Amino acid sequence: AQTVTQSQPEMSVQEAETVTLSCTYDTSESDYYLFWYKQPPSRQMILVIRQEAYKQQNATENRFSVNFQKAAKSFSLKISDSQLGDAAMYFCAYRRDNNDMRFGAGTRLTVKP
Amino acid sequence: GAGVSQSPSNKVTEKGKDVELRCDPISGHTALYWYRQSLGQGLEFLIYFQGNSAPDKSGLPSDRFSAERTGGSVSTLTIQRTQQEDSAVYLCASSLALGSSGYTFGSGTRLTVV
Repeated sequence: AQTVTQSQPEMSVQEAETVTLSCTYDTSESDYYLFWYKQPPSRQMILVIRQEAYKQQNATENRFSVNFQKAAKSFSLKISDSQLGDAAMYFCAYRRDNNDMRFGAGTRLTVKP
Repeated sequence: GAGVSQSPSNKVTEKGKDVELRCDPISGHTALYWYRQSLGQGLEFLIYFQGNSAPDKSGLPSDRFSAERTGGSVSTLTIQRTQQEDSAVYLCASSLALGSSGYTFGSGTRLTVV
């Protein structure tokens, strides 16, 4: 079974600084998809960024980028120029084909003004 | 609709009562998922519907939990004889069948069993 591990229950960053959230996963598949979701206190899950495993290039969405290391099964999220609105729970997720998505336990990010 | 709609947004029920939670997915999304999120925890997979295929019920924690999806659209999650440990936020999501598609989540139903 695929598992997703987020080893950092909590992280803190100063406003305007950069923070990296870690995620590792376990799979024997070669084709799959990885995602980062953000869940603010409103509890609405919001897709932040996605990565296709067959792509070597790391995905980027404005201030959000990933470091995808397929061999190491690592998928970290980097948030640059952190803003107060980035404070939330962040979940890493794995999906293969049209199967259901598996989530990590989450990392709570605090942004200090 | 424009997004995934869940109702009610909050539900308080007495222990032993049955509850129904509703999810209205995005039109055209063939896949629908239910997750449970206990306070401060991650998402626990409950059940997955894909088109006309038999649902994947492997995540349902007990036979008190059931779900159906009528006409390939609206889904109802039913919890019978609720227990205090059922208190959680129940999240519904829908997606296209493609693995590359992320999920679109609803805002969830916060269930409190007293």
